[in-house]
Amino acid sequence: EVQLVESGGGLVQPGGSLRLSCAASGFTFSDYWMHWVRQAPGKGLVWVSRINSDGSSTNYADSVRGRLTISRDNAKNTLYLQMKSLRAEDTAVYYCARDPTLGATPGWFDPWGQGTLVTVSS
Amino acid sequence: DIQMTQSPSSLSASVGDRVTITCRASQDISNYLAWYQQKPGKVPKILIYAASSLQSGVPPRFSGSGYGTDFTLTISSLQPEDVATYYCQKYDSAPYTFGQGTKLEIK
Repeated sequence: EVQLVESGGGLVQPGGSLRLSCAASGFTFSDYWMHWVRQAPGKGLVWVSRINSDGSSTNYADSVRGRLTISRDNAKNTLYLQMKSLRAEDTAVYYCARDPTLGATPGWFDPWGQGTLVTVSS
Repeated sequence: DIQMTQSPSSLSASVGDRVTITCRASQDISNYLAWYQQKPGKVPKILIYAASSLQSGVPPRFSGSGYGTDFTLTISSLQPEDVATYYCQKYDSAPYTFGQGTKLEIK
């Protein structure tokens, strides 16, 4: 079964740092592009970042560029999101998601992990 | 950046009704359009990709259409379990923008 499990969320003070992880199983992780998406409480889905299969190419939403860094360890089947200089507006559930198309063409997101909540507050 | 605009933002319909949600891209995105369903308290789930391709396991009462800038998601006969928020998303290139969502309720 294809599965994504996020961890690392929690309460952090404004200006602080946090690293999220997304453990993948049930598929060859190193073949797939991966994404992070966030959802603030009661709000809609917002795409955050994307990384290609070998980690050589990344993209970011303007709102997080320079503060959040996506990376992956294909040997550990794990995706990461390093978060620094956190703001109250970064408070959200963070989901990791897979692009199922093997990078041949741009793809949709499937599956999604269950999410991990990040709360930025003093 | 390309903007994705959904309408309506909320919708109330009766069981058995035909329901249509629209999504408009501010520029041509070909058919790089996906629809997701998010039930209350749950993880988003893919329904439709490539504008009109039904994801395996999704009931055939769901369908998608459109190309370029105008897209629709149709539920042919609304069921109680379809109560959810529906999102469109462009995935041709970054940023992979979502629409603002359409909250669907049963009347």
